[in-house]
Amino acid sequence: EAGVAQSPRYKIIEKRQSVAFWCNPISGHATLYWYQQILGQGPKLLIQFQNNGVVDDSQLPKDRFSAERLKGVDSTLKIQPAKLEDSAVYLCASSLPRGPLSSYEQYFGPGTRLTVT
Amino acid sequence: ELKVEQNPLFLSMQEGKNYTIYCNYSTTSDRLYWYRQDPGKSLESLFVLLSNGAVKQEGRLMASLDTKARLSTLHITAAVHDLSATYFCARPGTASKLTFGTGTRLQVTL
Repeated sequence: EAGVAQSPRYKIIEKRQSVAFWCNPISGHATLYWYQQILGQGPKLLIQFQNNGVVDDSQLPKDRFSAERLKGVDSTLKIQPAKLEDSAVYLCASSLPRGPLSSYEQYFGPGTRLTVT
Repeated sequence: ELKVEQNPLFLSMQEGKNYTIYCNYSTTSDRLYWYRQDPGKSLESLFVLLSNGAVKQEGRLMASLDTKARLSTLHITAAVHDLSATYFCARPGTASKLTFGTGTRLQVTL
């Protein structure tokens, strides 16, 4: 079974530039998550999708971050314009939808390491 | 606000020794997850604890959950160098949103 795919793996940009990350979840996983992990910290949820609808985006800095999941499969996360403090690893995860057979376990992709200079 | 705290934050231990990592969370939950992260890598699921009193073991690692105490433990038996990594506990909340602990960086020395 293929895992969660993300691209690019690394990105270096200057502040005020724009950047986009892509995620392809595990087939059949209706729920998709984007996390931000700053060096030395645990991941922090940015946004959660159920199919193509947003479930939780309470911690997404909406003035500069946006995310979409148009067809309920792939997702993109965009930052525009980037700030120095956005330097982090952006992790995508997916899980099965709620149900009696689901432990809601989340499976993580390899992440995109963003450096803003 | 939900808080998930781990201790210790950093653990240096010799090969062959035993130790326990603790995960406390501020609001009741009937499930708790443990993940491992190697440097520069993503998170690997270790254990999914789904009920009070749940205990799971994989190799030299054993995890348990006490929902009444809001405490989970990750016990390491006879540590080996390959276990060196950062370990995170995570508590699921509404709509399965995960709140991660601070992480415990484990270093096993020869």
